[in-house]
Amino acid sequence: DAKTTQPPSMDCAEGRAANLPCNHSTISGNEYVYWYRQIHSQGPQYIIHGLKNNETNEMASLIITEDRKSSTLILPHATLRDTAVYYCIVRAYSGGGADGLTFGKGTHLIIQP
Amino acid sequence: DSGVTQTPKHLITATGQRVTLRCSPRSGDLSVYWYQQSLDQGLQFLIQYYNGEERAKGNILERFSAQQFPDLHSELNLSSLELGDSALYFCASSARQNSPLHFGNGTRLTVT
Repeated sequence: DAKTTQPPSMDCAEGRAANLPCNHSTISGNEYVYWYRQIHSQGPQYIIHGLKNNETNEMASLIITEDRKSSTLILPHATLRDTAVYYCIVRAYSGGGADGLTFGKGTHLIIQP
Repeated sequence: DSGVTQTPKHLITATGQRVTLRCSPRSGDLSVYWYQQSLDQGLQFLIQYYNGEERAKGNILERFSAQQFPDLHSELNLSSLELGDSALYFCASSARQNSPLHFGNGTRLTVT
């Protein structure tokens, strides 16, 4: 799976949009971009994933650049409960073999009151 | 609530002992994954099962083993425990190939 690069930490003011960047310059055509977050010692929580089109759900939006070498996760109105470590993961489409996730170090997002 | 249930939530045991961690996947999910998270190593993939069969192995020690039963629940067995095995152990499940993984809230293992 392609490697990802994320800033180790970010701050965002409560009520503002939090924009979390991720670089994945070696991504292949069959690899998806996934985002998870982990709130202190809880299990990682699935947020969103996409291949090349922008995606939106009730939690967040995912913007993937046209060349697919980077993406941005957007939390539109951050709250204190969004403070967590956010993981950007590139996951290859599996034809029947292993399809787990490889976690890096993520970005520690701190929402400031 | 992800729908993945892990028991027990906490486990304290002594070095050299053996423990079993249990995971019930979301209803209908066929794949189960085990991860270990320690302070210095981050989230490490251990092993994956799909419909009762082992599908992939990661950094799982020989002292550790797992299985998935016909009712799809899974158990992770850790033996000859060492202090360094102290960690959070997470189970995740997914409905089918390439579906998102959904994680339980883990078992915190402390080896003294």
